[in-house]
Amino acid sequence: DTGVSQNPRHKITKRGQNVTFRCDPISEHNRLYWYRQTLGQGPEFLTYFQNEAQLEKSRLLSDRFSAERPKGSFSTLEIQRTEQGDSAMYLCASSSRGGLSGANVLTFGAGSRLTVL
Amino acid sequence: GQQLNQSPQSMFIQEGEDVSMNCTSSSIFNTWLWYKQDPGEGPVLLIALYKAGELTSNGRLTAQFGITRKDSFLNISASIPSDVGIYFCAGRIQGAQKLVFGQGTRLTINP
Repeated sequence: DTGVSQNPRHKITKRGQNVTFRCDPISEHNRLYWYRQTLGQGPEFLTYFQNEAQLEKSRLLSDRFSAERPKGSFSTLEIQRTEQGDSAMYLCASSSRGGLSGANVLTFGAGSRLTVL
Repeated sequence: GQQLNQSPQSMFIQEGEDVSMNCTSSSIFNTWLWYKQDPGEGPVLLIALYKAGELTSNGRLTAQFGITRKDSFLNISASIPSDVGIYFCAGRIQGAQKLVFGQGTRLTINP
């Protein structure tokens, strides 16, 4: 399978617990993105990596959120002390740096849906 | 920050009808993308546009990159039941890596 893989697909947790999501991008892609999507809205940018470097973080990414991509391959997104407002679909996408045709087109995974009770 | 206004928010059409939706921005974009999202899945790329005025087709789908670089349009001809879903426009400003998404257009088709 050469797509973007996300795990777990669904996570139900109690408020205050920590959760971690994993994303495995397309193997030849050096850029990896995290987005959050709430019901009825478009995806909102959280952060992005080029290889292992985290190059941009949104103001949406509070201190309770941390993302890593230690070896420039898979990435994890951890949410500490979850709140009900964190309930959302967390989408991962990857892209490659290429020529004009197909340049930097994001390929998304199926997402990890978080429900905080 | 950049915002995309996508319209209409929802459409209810008969099978076989043509569909048009659009997206406008307050900023100039150098890339426009159109994605479709099915329930419980991630967005899937439909069409990518890279030049102002560009008109690109993918089967029954046609998208255009507006001349002002602040808008884009997606048309679907002869709709079929599998076209049901949420369509998102997304754009990127010069020098940026992230995509900014519209709010989506939910398409419902009556058989």
